[in-house]
Amino acid sequence: DGGITQSPKYLFRKEGQNVTLSCEQNLNHDAMYWYRQDPGQGLRLIYYSQIVNDFQKGDIAEGYSVSREKKESFPLTVTSAQKNPTAFYLCASSIYLSTGYEQYFGPGTRLTVT
Amino acid sequence: AQTVTQSQPEMSVQEAETVTLSCTYDTSESDYYLFWYKQPPSRQMILVIRQEAYKQQNATENRFSVNFQKAAKSFSLKISDSQLGDAAMYFCAYQNRQGGSEKLVFGKGTKLTVNP
Repeated sequence: DGGITQSPKYLFRKEGQNVTLSCEQNLNHDAMYWYRQDPGQGLRLIYYSQIVNDFQKGDIAEGYSVSREKKESFPLTVTSAQKNPTAFYLCASSIYLSTGYEQYFGPGTRLTVT
Repeated sequence: AQTVTQSQPEMSVQEAETVTLSCTYDTSESDYYLFWYKQPPSRQMILVIRQEAYKQQNATENRFSVNFQKAAKSFSLKISDSQLGDAAMYFCAYQNRQGGSEKLVFGKGTKLTVNP
């Protein structure tokens, strides 16, 4: 089955530690994205990558880093510089259709930092 | 920068009735796409319906339809014959067509409750 996997579903870390969230897709999509979701805030774009070895900052990139060494993988690292890391993180990938770049989402990772 | 506003944080509807969720957006572009996504309690984002700005005809997908008013920059979602499974957060999203940007700009969402 083609799709996007994010692991783990729940992640717990101590304050001051870096943590990496995994995102893998087997849809052969070129572009991948990371969003953060907080209650009452909708989804906000952290980083996106349109091709391998290239990525751009989104609206809230501070305290986060990414890499795109393979087409299938787009891991997100939440660094200790991120002031409020506890949130729900969604990964997405997209393909161009005549109706737009349709984005497909993974199941998400809930990160709790204490 | 484009913005998307969903003015109804919460809505409720009786099963089998019809409900309309509101969305307005702000952009200086003339060519773009609009989307409605559904996020059920599982938190999986599911695309419900899409609309191309250059098309005057409103999009429909089974029980879901939109009312796209380009001049007013309004994009409402109508759910007919509401079902219990329609209960979810609904997000309106905007995407530019030009410039190679695939970014989606989301509204803050509307929580829909379906009462039996």
